[in-house]
Amino acid sequence: DTEVTQTPKHLVMGMTNKKSLKCEQHMGHRAMYWYKQKAKKPPELMFVYSYEKLSINESVPSRFSPECPNSSLLNLHLHALQPEDSALYLCASSQGPENGYTFGSGTRLTVV
Amino acid sequence: KQEVTQIPAALSVPEGENLVLNCSFTDSAIYNLQWFRQDPGKGLTSLLLIQSSQREQTSGRLNASLDKSSGRSTLYIAASQPGDSATYLCAVRPGSGGYQKVTFGTGTKLQVIP
Repeated sequence: DTEVTQTPKHLVMGMTNKKSLKCEQHMGHRAMYWYKQKAKKPPELMFVYSYEKLSINESVPSRFSPECPNSSLLNLHLHALQPEDSALYLCASSQGPENGYTFGSGTRLTVV
Repeated sequence: KQEVTQIPAALSVPEGENLVLNCSFTDSAIYNLQWFRQDPGKGLTSLLLIQSSQREQTSGRLNASLDKSSGRSTLYIAASQPGDSATYLCAVRPGSGGYQKVTFGTGTKLQVIP
């Protein structure tokens, strides 16, 4: 298995909803990432989980919270989002810096 | 702070043409550089990964080169096809190899006209 699987592919949620995005990989990669990508912009790093340690981009608001239940799964919990949070959310993993990234197909999130 | 620029932002070529995409970075102390393609609304697909000690990598019709001293990488696509139409992104990992600090370029949107 050489893929990063993201679910769901599309999500529409209201500003008062709570939802979660799921990311899974079975390549034994030691680091997993969440990125946010707005239209016509490069991806922006939100969170990194590597060696059981979470690193956070300090500009990410607290309405986004990551969770790593095990080394193969990385969830992103969403609560009280704003319309400007609508974007493509990408998950990636890597075995190590020398191996580069493997990305999932993304979740298209729309906040209404 | 590393800055990564891709010029041009958009490129349109007729099918069959050979083409070069550019990626420039300001800090030459890099660990590696990775080229991706992205189809609209989709994730990033890795094309080539060049380590700092390498000068080029090849995969099929694609060839990526790296010149650290001048802060440049190029992606050469031979005999372009309509299926090559996508946005191409380069990503630079810093010399420390840290997980957090990869910098993405601004992307080049390629259209190959049949």
